[in-house]
Amino acid sequence: GAVVSQHPSWVICKSGTSVKIECRSLDFQATTMFWYRQFPKQSLMLMATSNEGSKATYEQGVEKDKFLINHASLTLSTLTVTSAHPEDSSFYICSARDPGLEETQYFGPGTRLLVL
Amino acid sequence: SQQGEEDPQALSIQEGENATMNCSYKTSINNLQWYRQNSGRGLVHLILIRSNEREKHSGRLRVTLDTSKKSSSLLITASRAADTASYFCATVPSGYSTLTFGKGTMLLVSP
Repeated sequence: GAVVSQHPSWVICKSGTSVKIECRSLDFQATTMFWYRQFPKQSLMLMATSNEGSKATYEQGVEKDKFLINHASLTLSTLTVTSAHPEDSSFYICSARDPGLEETQYFGPGTRLLVL
Repeated sequence: SQQGEEDPQALSIQEGENATMNCSYKTSINNLQWYRQNSGRGLVHLILIRSNEREKHSGRLRVTLDTSKKSSSLLITASRAADTASYFCATVPSGYSTLTFGKGTMLLVSP
């Protein structure tokens, strides 16, 4: 299947700093990528849909100024957690949809964020 | 909001036994998908079943879908210790293109 990578795989930062997470589709072009958040032993919650060349669509309750999403190319979407606080500590997972297989999403390995 | 609800929340079995997980949802769907997640890792797509399908097989996996009851089941036959993971169902509600995940079932397969 298609491969999606995320970088970094984990990050520890101080409260108040900004953290950027990259999501790349390695062997296909993804016009649409998705960002999820997962707390320990809980399910994935969709944060936003990232569309190449246009603004992201955020889910209700997700602050767009807090979680900046940029989808500048067909293989890269970035999520920036601005002014991170301890409550932002979580597991962030991206996925990408293969245009040739509209129903299938391929997930990255996730990024664990710990804000001290 | 979360649509899929899996049960049981946790399941512990011995190698060689079958594992059955159930998923219920609330609205009409285009398709339902099952994913697997090893601890602290990303998700792996297992199988997709469309709303007009009733049963699907993939290796040791068997998925059923009952749209009248708004439920699905995932059966893993002849389980192995390597099947230990969390399993999530996810639905694509009719008229939408995004996935809505259930809370998952944690499966532990003991050698």
